[in-house]
Amino acid sequence: SQTIHQWPATLVQPVGSPLSLECTVEGTSNPNLYWYRQAAGRGLQLLFYSVGIGQISSEVPQNLSASRPQDRQFILSSKKLLLSDSSFYLCASTGPRYGYTFGSGTRLTVV
Amino acid sequence: SQQGEEDPQALSIQEGENATMNCSYKTSINNLQWYRQNSGRGLVHLILIRSNEREKHSGRLRVTLDTSKKSSSLLITASRAADTASYFCATGASGGSYIPTFGRGTSLIVHP
Repeated sequence: SQTIHQWPATLVQPVGSPLSLECTVEGTSNPNLYWYRQAAGRGLQLLFYSVGIGQISSEVPQNLSASRPQDRQFILSSKKLLLSDSSFYLCASTGPRYGYTFGSGTRLTVV
Repeated sequence: SQQGEEDPQALSIQEGENATMNCSYKTSINNLQWYRQNSGRGLVHLILIRSNEREKHSGRLRVTLDTSKKSSSLLITASRAADTASYFCATGASGGSYIPTFGRGTSLIVHP
């Protein structure tokens, strides 16, 4: 079975600072990987997905970017954080036959 | 992308009662999945039902799928306070890229 390691669990960053959230996957090779964002009490908004190394697709244009430098590593980044970037970020892996495995999430607060 | 929309948005019941939540989607699917999310945590995969299945059980969970109505239901029997969480559905596409989308979920509160 797959395991997703996502860190940090919580993060407080000042406006204008950079961001790097990392996600790694165990138990599978060549997974599809996803970054989601979830506002409080809301559903999940897909930000980026990747079907392979260096292959990134963006669902929503915004202040964030993603990279996949290794098969089982997915990174969410920003050069300059905005207050509106405060949210709960989730990494996920698939999966299509067995559903999706999610990381435990990162609570980002931009101050 | 596939869209899952859960209904109701919120459900409050007493321990021991059954909880039923529904999911509707718009296009053809290969499978449908239900997830649970405890507050401030990631989603946990509960059950997957394939498009050629009509009902599936897992412990106290019962999932039904009606592809003609493009809907699914999740029944939690004999609920417990520990079942308090948000529940989401997601659909798997029939071919093409595999990009599920999630609705806002059903927030279930089980009172002890």
